[in-house]
Order: sequence, then structure tokens, then C-alpha cells
Amino acid sequence: DIVMTQSPDALAVSLGERATINCKSSQSVLYSSNNENYLAWYQQKPGQSPKLLIYWASTRESGVPDRFSGSGSGTDFTLTISSLQAEDVAVYYCQQYYNTPYTFGQGTKLEIK
Amino acid sequence: EVQLVESGGGLVKPGRALRLSCTASGSTFGDYAMSWFRQAPGKGLEWIGFITNKNYGGTTEYAASVKGRFTISRDDSKSISYLQMISLKTEDTAVYYCAKAGLRWYFDLWGRGTLVTVSS
Repeated sequence: DIVMTQSPDALAVSLGERATINCKSSQSVLYSSNNENYLAWYQQKPGQSPKLLIYWASTRESGVPDRFSGSGSGTDFTLTISSLQAEDVAVYYCQQYYNTPYTFGQGTKLEIK
Repeated sequence: EVQLVESGGGLVKPGRALRLSCTASGSTFGDYAMSWFRQAPGKGLEWIGFITNKNYGGTTEYAASVKGRFTISRDDSKSISYLQMISLKTEDTAVYYCAKAGLRWYFDLWGRGTLVTVSS
């Protein structure tokens, strides 16, 4: 199984500041035949279901604010929120869909400082 | 706009069975691959399994933790996916979500979830 490890486990950032969450996979999730990284990011607000933010490591889902961006390749990935808003308080998960079982990171809890 | 609604959760004793439903609104349910996930209280997300659409034969695949006990099926005429669970264990206690797959196995629409509590 591919193990996904996020860092940090929790993060407190001031409003308007940048938030950065890291995700590392135990093996590459870059598929050589199409040069795509099979990596997605989700946001889960308290009491709600997960919401897709980013797929293919850097493609923003329709309707997601452009302050959210994804980067990285191979085994190391980053979710960046360029200017934190109060509504961004949530737990963020990365997920690999390179192969089954599809696995998630343990989550990063983002709070306002 | 497609929406997913899970139902069928509740309190069940260890060793018993339960069937969850995921009902989709919208007319294109048959085009989608569907997956099920769970989230134990205060924990992270766990993929349970998927079912492809009919173009891919309605193939299923499962996580090792549930293989042989959980079965995913679908009824496209009713726009429903089912999760049949047998031999339930206390560690199966979780909120169960269904989700629609995008072009690949990222999940672009999730239901609100249904809570399953396995306890004597």
C-alpha cells in the first residue's frame, strides 16, 4: 500500500497569511505514460463531508477559490493557501489514486492564529 | 446539480448485517463510478471500495479490511449504490460516505454521510 504522510499535523496561521501543507507518498504517484501525478487534495470543514479542492496534483476543481493551489511531483506535494480566510478553517487531506487501495494522509488541521 | 444522500445507518450489534444506500439525484448516475469511504470518530478517511459504471462492467474492488464482508452494488434504474455489510465489528463504527469518481479515482462529489455504530 502507498502510505501518505502529511506535515504538519496541525497549523495555525494568521488571517491573510500563507498556509502550506505538505504531503509525502511512500512511492511515486507519477504515472509515466501520461506524466500525471495521481494526487488529490480535499478540505473537510467541521461536521461536513470532504470537498475536492485539487486533482492531478495541481488542477483546481471548478468553483474552488484561486487562493488554493497545489504543486509537487513524484513523492512530494504541497497545498498552499495564499491568503488565509476565516472560512478556510478545516482539516485538509491528500489522497493518492495511483493504485488501490486509495489512501489518504492523516490530515492537517488548519486553524486561525 | 447531482447530489448524493446516504441512508440506512444506525445502531447494530456485533456480528449483524446492515445495508446502506446512496441515492443520487440527476439523470446521469449510470455514467459514474462510485466509491464508499468511512471515517471513524475523530479519525481520518478510509477508502472502502468502488464499483465502476456499466461501461466497465460494474467491476468492484475492496480494501483488505472489509474484503469478504462488504459488498458494493448499484441499481442504475433507481440511481442508487448500495453497501452491504455483514459480520460487523465494533471497529466498523464510523460515518460512511459515498462519493462519485471524477475522470479518474479522485472524488468530486460526496454525500453527507450516515453514521453506523456497532455496539452490543
